[in-house]
Amino acid sequence: NAGVMQNPRHLVRRRGQEARLRCSPMKGHSHVYWYRQLPEEGLKFMVYLQKENIIDESGMPKERFSAEFPKEGPSILRIQQVVRGDSAAYFCASSVNPGTLNYGYTFGSGTRLTVV
Amino acid sequence: DQQVKQNSPSLSVQEGRISILNCDYTNSMFDYFLWYKKYPAEGPTFLISISSIKDKNEDGRFTVFLNKSAKHLSLHIVPSQPGDSAVYFCAASEGTSGSRLTFGEGTQLTVNP
Repeated sequence: NAGVMQNPRHLVRRRGQEARLRCSPMKGHSHVYWYRQLPEEGLKFMVYLQKENIIDESGMPKERFSAEFPKEGPSILRIQQVVRGDSAAYFCASSVNPGTLNYGYTFGSGTRLTVV
Repeated sequence: DQQVKQNSPSLSVQEGRISILNCDYTNSMFDYFLWYKKYPAEGPTFLISISSIKDKNEDGRFTVFLNKSAKHLSLHIVPSQPGDSAVYFCAASEGTSGSRLTFGEGTQLTVNP
C-alpha cells in the first residue's frame, strides 16, 4: 500500500498559467480532502470529495479554483490563472468510507506550488 | 477568525525531559481533537486524538489532556527524544465522520541531545 500519492511534488508556474495538482488516495479509500498551507500558517481546509461528488467545498476560493474526483483516476485540484498568493503547499488526505477521524486522515507529502 | 490557536511558535527541551505543547480553541461545537506531527517536506502524520467525552488519552510516550471548560488541550511527550523534533499541529473537528479539520498554526519542537 503506497499511501496517499501526490504529484508533482514541486510545481512552478508563471502568473496567469494553470496549475493541476493530482492526488491518488490510499487503496480502498473513497474520500479525499484537500488542504492548503500558506507560509508560516497552519493547514486550511479547502474541499471534501467522494467519487464523482463534491461533498463540502466551503473552503474553496470562489474563483479560479476547482476540484474533482472522477470515478476512475486521481483527484485533481485545478487552479486557473495563478497569482503569487496561490504559492503554498497543497496537501491531500484520504480516508475510508465514511471518513472517520478516529485514527486521523492519511495525508500525502504535498505539492509545493510556486508562482513566479 | 482563528478558531484553533497554538500560541507558542517554538519550544526547545532537553532530551529525556517532558515536552508540553498547548492549544486553545474557541468553537464550542468542536468535539474531537487531534495532534499531528510534521517533518519538513512531508505531510502531517497523525499522532493521537481525544473525544470531548474524555479528559485524557494516552499512547506510549504521548498523552493528550482536554479541559473542555477552559477550551484548552495539551500534548505531553515524555521522555522527549531528538527524533521528536518536528512541527506539531493541533486540530479540531465537529464530529468524527466526514468532517473537516480546523488546524492551529503549529509549534516547532526542538529536542536537544
